[in-house]
Amino acid sequence: DSGVTQTPKHLITATGQRVTLRCSPRSGDLSVYWYQQSLDQGLQFLIQYYNGEERAKGNILERFSAQQFPDLHSELNLSSLELGDSALYFCASSRGDRGADGYTFGSGTRLTVV
Amino acid sequence: AQSVTQPDIHITVSEGASLELRCNYSYGATPYLFWYVQSPGQGLQLLLKYFSGDTLVQGIKGFEAEFKRSQSSFNLRKPSVHWSDAAEYFCAVGARSNDYKLSFGAGTTVTVRA
Repeated sequence: DSGVTQTPKHLITATGQRVTLRCSPRSGDLSVYWYQQSLDQGLQFLIQYYNGEERAKGNILERFSAQQFPDLHSELNLSSLELGDSALYFCASSRGDRGADGYTFGSGTRLTVV
Repeated sequence: AQSVTQPDIHITVSEGASLELRCNYSYGATPYLFWYVQSPGQGLQLLLKYFSGDTLVQGIKGFEAEFKRSQSSFNLRKPSVHWSDAAEYFCAVGARSNDYKLSFGAGTTVTVRA
């Protein structure tokens, strides 16, 4: 157990729907990062939050959004889902706003859009 | 922008044999370098990291990596692999100019044969 908790582990939904993925960072970590892992794109950085504020954006689609709450858990919202959004979504956390110590990853949420 | 290349998509090695996974990065200054391992259905686990100092870094599970500035490489090695080392391995780079957001290589899948 890495200390980073992601729920749900699996999600199957239809095209056009909206889902929310949840992440609780490791105790004491203030930064949360979201990554998408797909066979064709590999691991792609989506977005980072630090202590409740958006810190960096990567290849995140406009249909996707995220937030970090006062208790530091984070949610990734995916809307108007398309088949191509099927992927593993990972959350990672780090102590500071710069992950120089490396990230701790959760076990991921596997999203299947049908 | 920094980039990470893992030239080998798939490597097969016999149990007890040595293993070396290649990683090359593209960046002007010395980045922070990481190796992660991902077992099937699991999240990414940090094996080791390099920031500065001794260019030979020891990690968990008997792995080590050597930073070679002249070759822009950070290859991962293990003297004697175990069947449990079968997994996907990712090299990652973080750079000061990008607030150390990790960019990941495409990964190398390691198969261990008996």
